[in-house]
Amino acid sequence: DAGVTQSPTHLIKTRGQQVTLRCSPKSGHDTVSWYQQALGQGPQFIFQYYEEEERQRGNFPDRFSGHQFPNYSSELNVNALLLGDSALYLCASSNGVTQYTGELFFGEGSRLTVL
Amino acid sequence: GQQLNQSPQSMFIQEGEDVSMNCTSSSIFNTWLWYKQDPGEGPVLLIALYKAGELTSNGRLTAQFGITRKDSFLNISASIPSDVGIYFCAGQDVQKLVFGQGTRLTINP
Repeated sequence: DAGVTQSPTHLIKTRGQQVTLRCSPKSGHDTVSWYQQALGQGPQFIFQYYEEEERQRGNFPDRFSGHQFPNYSSELNVNALLLGDSALYLCASSNGVTQYTGELFFGEGSRLTVL
Repeated sequence: GQQLNQSPQSMFIQEGEDVSMNCTSSSIFNTWLWYKQDPGEGPVLLIALYKAGELTSNGRLTAQFGITRKDSFLNISASIPSDVGIYFCAGQDVQKLVFGQGTRLTINP
């Protein structure tokens, strides 16, 4: 049973560029959440997708956008990259039960470096 | 905004010692969780607490949900090398988790 998978694992971009990160949820999960984890900090909630719609959003600018596909996989897009966007981006999946218990299953993350 | 404060930020202990860490919040949460993150990995759930005053154990780990619903603590008994990592508390707010900044645990053999 595959867990949450994310790609790419590492990437380097320059300021002003755009990036797309991808996530496949754990089998049986239909909800995907994205978190940003800056170095030495805890994860911060970006947004959550369910039934292909954004259900809840954290305090992130519109440069951060996402999408969920019919197979429940998801993408995170960040436009006009800033140096401060350098972080580990974590994808977490849940289902109808675990989303209410708080149990999220995290992927290993995509490490983004902006130069 | 919501903020969780964890203490201590880091701990250096000897193998076999007991560990205690805590988390306080300016907001009330109805669910508290403790996650552990190993290097190069995503966080993994250790313990979930759903009721104020609740004390829950998972092997050598024990966690409590504070009566005020604004705090929680985690204890690890008889630490072993695989306990090394970063421990995060989290409060559940509707569909999202609000995380603390983490407690980094280092164990000297």
